[in-house]
Amino acid sequence: NAGVTQTPKFRVLKTGQSMTLLCAQDMNHEYMYWYRQDPGLGLRLIHYSVGEGTTAKGEVPDGYNVSRLKKQNFLLGLESAAPSQTSVYFCASSTGYSNQPQHFGDGTRLSIL
Amino acid sequence: QKEVEQDPGPLSVPEGAIVSLNCTYSNSAFQYFMWYRQYSRKGPELLMYTYSSGNKEDGRFTAQVDKSSKYISLFIRDSQPSDSATYLCAMKGNTGKLIFGQGTTLQVKP
Repeated sequence: NAGVTQTPKFRVLKTGQSMTLLCAQDMNHEYMYWYRQDPGLGLRLIHYSVGEGTTAKGEVPDGYNVSRLKKQNFLLGLESAAPSQTSVYFCASSTGYSNQPQHFGDGTRLSIL
Repeated sequence: QKEVEQDPGPLSVPEGAIVSLNCTYSNSAFQYFMWYRQYSRKGPELLMYTYSSGNKEDGRFTAQVDKSSKYISLFIRDSQPSDSATYLCAMKGNTGKLIFGQGTTLQVKP
């Protein structure tokens, strides 16, 4: 029962470097989401996808890009990392029906120096 | 004003106490209400889910929704040290986007 798997679990970057966070789900969910969690601000939606090949902006999309080439995978990219992007990133997935909840991975801790 | 307000705590109680966690919201379009539990260095896990006013019970946990007051609560009976975690309320309407509260950190002391 893997559910939602995020890799890597932890990463340290220097300002200006790029990286990609990977999210994989094995529940055949249509919808996938990327959130960031910061102290005092809670969970904020970065980008989401309602199906393979589709993406949409969430509440805080600036500085991030995403791709959903396969139904089971959702990638979050940072093209030029900034210290303000230091955060814990969570991926989630759901069936897409409005009455169904989201299921979360265990997060990626990202520090930008 | 945030759409969902949750007292961040921290909340510290002795083992066996009844815990009450609360959220208020402003958007009357919200129809689905959830409570997630998040242990340190883990992702949120769904604890309770309801879509109507009233109470829903699951073991030691009771979720309460009052749509007329735009107020939801989570009660934990006979609290245990293993209940120590951050509790996040979350809600959504027909758009499907989930709006989270800030989370309340709970510590249950043995």
